[in-house]
Amino acid sequence: AQSVTQPDIHITVSEGASLELRCNYSYGATPYLFWYVQSPGQGLQLLLKYFSGDTLVQGIKGFEAEFKRSQSSFNLRKPSVHWSDAAEYFCAVGGRAGGTSYGKLTFGQGTILTVHP
Amino acid sequence: DTEVTQTPKHLVMGMTNKKSLKCEQHMGHRAMYWYKQKAKKPPELMFVYSYEKLSINESVPSRFSPECPNSSLLNLHLHALQPEDSALYLCASSQDNGGLYEQYFGPGTRLTVT
Repeated sequence: AQSVTQPDIHITVSEGASLELRCNYSYGATPYLFWYVQSPGQGLQLLLKYFSGDTLVQGIKGFEAEFKRSQSSFNLRKPSVHWSDAAEYFCAVGGRAGGTSYGKLTFGQGTILTVHP
Repeated sequence: DTEVTQTPKHLVMGMTNKKSLKCEQHMGHRAMYWYKQKAKKPPELMFVYSYEKLSINESVPSRFSPECPNSSLLNLHLHALQPEDSALYLCASSQDNGGLYEQYFGPGTRLTVT
């Protein structure tokens, strides 16, 4: 079964500092990987996705993520954090055809980002 | 337009009430989803509709009844809920029901069961 682990429950950074949110996945093949962001009481917004090809993917709001097959990781990065980036971030893996998780999105537990001025 | 709309934004209902949540998308997506999200937890999949047919039911209690009247609309009918059903209910849609299709989420309905 596919699974996603986000090791950091809560991260605090200062505005302007760089950010890296960790995500590790467990999947039998090359996964479909996503990062979503959720502001309090709101829905989820897609930041970026990885399906294949270039392992460094660019997303919205200045975010990027790097797929590392050898480490089963898909970490999210941003070079300079803004106060408006404070939110909860979810990493997710989508099941491929032929598997029991086909059509399902499996989320990590989320990382809450706090930004200090 | 990549918008999924949900109504109502907030809903308070008693345990004997019957209510419905509504979700709409006009992106031409053929897959629609209901998720339940408790505080400080990730969304949990409840139902998936693909081409207006129920394709996944994650063993959800029968007090939750989904309905997909057409390809743009998704309803969730609620009856005899329990206080533990209080949560944020999220609707999502995607181009098709496959892992490679990103899901677009609505803002959610905050449900409180009293």
